[in-house]
This record gives sequence, structure tokens and C-alpha cells, in this order.
Amino acid sequence: EAGVAQSPRYKIIEKRQSVAFWCNPISGHATLYWYQQILGQGPKLLIQFQNNGVVDDSQLPKDRFSAERLKGVDSTLKIQPAKLEDSAVYLCASSLDGSGQVNEQFFGPGTRLTVL
Amino acid sequence: GEDVEQSLFLSVREGDSSVINCTYTDSSSTYLYWYKQEPGAGLQLLTYIFSNMDMKQDQRLTVLLNKKDKHLSLRIADTQTGDSAIYFCAAGFEGNAGKSTFGDGTTLTVKP
Repeated sequence: EAGVAQSPRYKIIEKRQSVAFWCNPISGHATLYWYQQILGQGPKLLIQFQNNGVVDDSQLPKDRFSAERLKGVDSTLKIQPAKLEDSAVYLCASSLDGSGQVNEQFFGPGTRLTVL
Repeated sequence: GEDVEQSLFLSVREGDSSVINCTYTDSSSTYLYWYKQEPGAGLQLLTYIFSNMDMKQDQRLTVLLNKKDKHLSLRIADTQTGDSAIYFCAAGFEGNAGKSTFGDGTTLTVKP
């Protein structure tokens, strides 16, 4: 089965510019996650979708970050405007059903964002 | 909130055992996970243990959990160069894997 796809793999922008990342989860996976992984740190959950509804966005900086998951499949994460501290790898993950017990998450390769 | 701590680096010889340690602060965590991240890739779930277990073995991997001390360890037997990667410990709660808190990762280097 195909894994989680993300694009682009790399992005370099200047501060105050906008950027968008795309994620295509594994077919049939109801739950989709976006994580921010700053260099040298573990992933931090930004937002979790169950189908096309938001389950948790408590750590999403809503003044500049937005995310949507139209039709409960693909998702986009947008940053507008970007700050230097947004430089990180943005990971997308999906799972069959986020409400289960041990619910294995499958991660994409990530998008490495550099803000200059 | 939950805090998960790991040592940053570990270096071993090929064929030796590796032990990666992790501590967490929230005793209500019900699932403890180990993930592996290779360069340029996302995280891969290696194994997990429920908080009511002391040990779990899966081929070359052994997970030990000391719930009293909130200490988790991952032992890799017969470590190979292909095991070189960053290993993340994560603590989670029943019913929502997305609520896991990750440590900052331990970089394992395996020398031939």
C-alpha cells in the first residue's frame, strides 16, 4: 500500500512570505495529523483531523497557521506570514481511526521549511 | 503537561546491545511508544507498551517499563549498522494516539 505523501519536500522562503504544504494520507485512514519538528526536538502536534473535522488544534498558532482537510482526504497546512522560528520539518501522519486504543500513526517524509 | 526526557546520544559497536532510556512525568500515561527516524524520513513506530505491563519483547527489541519511577527503556540486541537512527520515546493516553508527547530523541550511532 502507498504511504503518506507530502509535497514539497523542501521549501525556502523569506520571512513574512506565505507557504503551503500538502499531504495525501494512506487510503482509508480517517485521522490525519500535522506535526512541527524543530531541529533537535521531537514532533509537536499542531492539528488533528478526524475525517474533515478538527479534533484538536490547541497547539496551532492560529494567528498565522491554518489547515484544512476538504472531503476528508487530502490536507493542506498554510503559514501566513512566516517567521524565522517557523523553520522546521512539517510532518503529516495518518491513522485508521484516532479514537482507537493503540492507533498506529504512519508518517510521511516531511517538508523541510527554511525561513530566511 | 507531560514532559518526556531522553539522553541525546548513544554510540555502540556492531553486535553489542544498545539501551536507550526515557523518563516521563505524567503517571496517567497509558501508552508508551518507541519510534525510529532515519535521515530524511518520517517516524516509524517500532513498538509500544501498555502502562500495566513491565516488559515487552519483539524480536531484537525489548521494552522495559518501571511505572513507579516513570522510566522506560528500549534494548536492541545484536545492534547492526542499519539501526543507526534517532529513536523517540513518546507517552500517550488511551483513546487518542495524537495526544502523545514526544521526547527530543536519542541519536544512536553504530560503529562497525
